[in-house]
Amino acid sequence: KNQVEQSPQSLIILEGKNCTLQCNYTVSPFSNLRWYKQDTGRGPVSLTIMTFSENTKSNGRYTATLDADTKQSSLHITASQLSDSASYICVVTSGSARQLTFGSGTQLTVLP
Amino acid sequence: DAGVIQSPRHEVTEMGQEVTLRCKPISGHNSLFWYRQTMMRGLELLIYFNNNVPIDDSGMPEDRFSAKMPNASFSTLKIQPSEPRDSAVYFCASSGDRVGGELFFGEGSRLTVL
Repeated sequence: KNQVEQSPQSLIILEGKNCTLQCNYTVSPFSNLRWYKQDTGRGPVSLTIMTFSENTKSNGRYTATLDADTKQSSLHITASQLSDSASYICVVTSGSARQLTFGSGTQLTVLP
Repeated sequence: DAGVIQSPRHEVTEMGQEVTLRCKPISGHNSLFWYRQTMMRGLELLIYFNNNVPIDDSGMPEDRFSAKMPNASFSTLKIQPSEPRDSAVYFCASSGDRVGGELFFGEGSRLTVL
């Protein structure tokens, strides 16, 4: 059964600090992995996509990594801001475009 | 582009009443998804359409739920009769043709069944 597990479940950090969110998956065959950011009361928005051949990809202060051998991905947030407070959801696509497996998300709170 | 548009944003109803949620996908997207989100279960796929045709409805909880997509620019999710356990946020999302394409979510419809 395809599964995506995220850790930690929740995280509280101070503004300006860095943090790393983890995503482990057992999805086969692997197509791609996306990180979504979901602000409170809003729909999820894609931050980045990782394909099999990509190890690292940056989007501003967000850097995603992918290790296809260990089936792990991480999302590193640098110099956190209050606006980074949100739920971060890891989504893995397998086989066809429509087989999506969602993680349960990491709730990040950035305090001033 | 206005993005995916959902209505209503909030709905409070009594048990047994019919609820209809509406979605307008992004123009040109040929796939539409309905998701339900709760604290306990996260995001769950209910049904998805491709070119207006339901492809996978295995996530639809039971016969009380039904979804339609009469044309490329409109979809509805109906719950009849509604129950308190249906309380959740319902998201509609659309995507284009590309394999593994990005999902564009609406703002969601928060349903409370009393």
